[in-house]
Amino acid sequence: AQSVTQLGSHVSVSEGALVLLRCNYSSSVPPYLFWYVQYPNQGLQLLLKYTSAATLVKGINGFEAEFKKSETSFHLTKPSAHMSDAAEYFCAVSGGTSYGKLTFGQGTILTVHP
Amino acid sequence: KAGVTQTPRYLIKTRGQQVTLSCSPISGHRSVSWYQQTPGQGLQFLFEYFSETQRNKGNFPGRFSGRQFSNSRSEMNVSTLELGDSALYLCASRSAELSNTEAFFGQGTRLTVV
Repeated sequence: AQSVTQLGSHVSVSEGALVLLRCNYSSSVPPYLFWYVQYPNQGLQLLLKYTSAATLVKGINGFEAEFKKSETSFHLTKPSAHMSDAAEYFCAVSGGTSYGKLTFGQGTILTVHP
Repeated sequence: KAGVTQTPRYLIKTRGQQVTLSCSPISGHRSVSWYQQTPGQGLQFLFEYFSETQRNKGNFPGRFSGRQFSNSRSEMNVSTLELGDSALYLCASRSAELSNTEAFFGQGTRLTVV
């Protein structure tokens, strides 16, 4: 079985500040990890993915995440927040015989203050 | 290249009715998955189809069913609608069957049951 825990349902930062969204996973097989972003009334857009290559993964819009097996974590960061980053972010895990099934965390709403 | 297309975008149904939602994947993608998104339960996996075969199924009652056609388009059906079925239903397509392949999401169908 696989699961994801996102610490903090709401995160608030000032424009230009560091963004850190936390994700911890549980998986009995080598995991594949994804971060998605969702804007209001929209679907999910892939930010980045970890698929057992480099542990530091760079994605779109300046986001990156580091896979830490020892900590079972895959935290998402961005050095400098922009107003357009305000959205809901989801961490997801797949792997093994889950095929197309993604198991999502509960999501973190990011608010960016001017 | 067109993205994942879901129709309709919005739907209002009465308790007890049934509903069919449609999803056209990205051209060439043979994997289609469905998710239910609600404020209380978050994103939950419904089922996945690959080349017209259901490969994985989430923990939903039998009122929820789906199918995939030879052109990879997919439909999901919900019978005997309940108020709790009100949700955003998201469809995702993938280019390959491996679980490390990223999923591309449609904008969703917002179902309201009254």
